Amino acid sequence: EVQLVESGGGLVQPGGSLRLSCAAFGFTFSDHYMDWVRQAPGKGLEWVGRIRKKSNSYTTEYAASAKGRFTIARDDSESSLHLLMNSLKTEDTAVYYCAKVNLVSGYFDLWGQGTLVTVSS
Amino acid sequence: DIQMTQSPSTLSASVGDRVTITCRASQSISAWLAWYQHKPGKAPKLLIYKASTLESGVPSRFSGSGSGTEFTLTIGSLQPDDFATYYCQQYNSYSITFGQGTRLEIK
Repeated sequence: EVQLVESGGGLVQPGGSLRLSCAAFGFTFSDHYMDWVRQAPGKGLEWVGRIRKKSNSYTTEYAASAKGRFTIARDDSESSLHLLMNSLKTEDTAVYYCAKVNLVSGYFDLWGQGTLVTVSS
Repeated sequence: DIQMTQSPSTLSASVGDRVTITCRASQSISAWLAWYQHKPGKAPKLLIYKASTLESGVPSRFSGSGSGTEFTLTIGSLQPDDFATYYCQQYNSYSITFGQGTRLEIK
């Protein structure tokens, strides 16, 4: 079955760090750009960042809210995506989704069900 | 960043109604627009891409139109499963942005 499964969410104190993972199944992971998107409680969807594929040198892009604190990485050998989050703030509390970018264009044709990150003391 | 503005924020309708949601971009995005359906606790679901192309498996009562800065999502005859939140998303630039969402609720 084609799916994305996130893990690693939990409760962390402000200033702390957390590593989220996303396991991909049923498609050739290495062929695709992969993104992270989040949804804060009661809010809409917010793009977090992107990692391109090997032929694009695994380059990354980040939203202003994530730049300098978050790092996106991937392991094509394990079909996995990661989000390393440092210096967490209460406003980073959200459900974090990984999303597969369509091969031809920049929309998301597959999403995971999300993992909840709560930043609180 | 390109700002995306959806209207209305909330829409009350009945099963069988025809509804339209509007999405406006702060600058031209050609047809680089997608629509998603999102239900609580579930993964968002792609409905429409390139402004008007229906994703495989999505019922034909969903349709999209527009180009440039103004876009619409229309649901032809609402079914019980359609009550959810809908988001537009531009992918004209690498800095992706979403509309704030339209919550479609049962009247």
